[in-house]
Amino acid sequence: QSALTQPPSASGSPGQSVTISCTGISSDVGDYNYVSWYQQHPGKAPKLMIYEVSKRPSGVPDRFSGSRSGNTASLTVAGLLAEDEADYYCISFGGMNNWGVFGGGTKLTVL
Amino acid sequence: QVQLQESGPGLVKPSETLSLICSVSSGSITNYYWSWIRQPPGKGLEWIGYIHYTGTTNYNPSLRSRVTISVDTSKNQFSLKVSSVTAADTAVYYCARILEGYGPTFDYWGQGTLVTVSS
Repeated sequence: QSALTQPPSASGSPGQSVTISCTGISSDVGDYNYVSWYQQHPGKAPKLMIYEVSKRPSGVPDRFSGSRSGNTASLTVAGLLAEDEADYYCISFGGMNNWGVFGGGTKLTVL
Repeated sequence: QVQLQESGPGLVKPSETLSLICSVSSGSITNYYWSWIRQPPGKGLEWIGYIHYTGTTNYNPSLRSRVTISVDTSKNQFSLKVSSVTAADTAVYYCARILEGYGPTFDYWGQGTLVTVSS
């Protein structure tokens, strides 16, 4: 399994918007709608933020949104708050022999 | 809401078998898929495998030869075994519930348990 590619870091000032990318190949991100995103604060378990590319679970602020273009999925955080500072991970389905492949993670810093 | 709790030894010797249990409370283990995910210290997440309450499994190809996931519906638990461990298996191990119908989507997670492989 090849990991999905995420930038190691991203940053923005409070109130700004930041977009984190997650690049796969045509047989995973580009071929299926099953991309999800997780937020992880230090020492805590990951939390589901986006699933099926762009759906938000109940309780997740609408400042978080997901999209996809070709083989790249993206997570956008609008109106940055200090509490958004965390690590973010994407994961995609790539067929039953490649069921769950995570990205390497992106550390989001709120300046 | 559903709660998950990992339990098991925090220290395992090299070449031995790592064994963990995930206990599910405030909800039934039936009608869902359940998964194990791990995270080496300071590194990213790695999907290990999943099991359906009926016993159907699927594993990460890179770990398939050493991993076994099983379920005990009578105890509302599922478990993980990783054989022939090395220092590379040192990680925080999480159990999680899969949101059915949406691929690798984990809607509930345990708090995680650190397992260190060392003699």
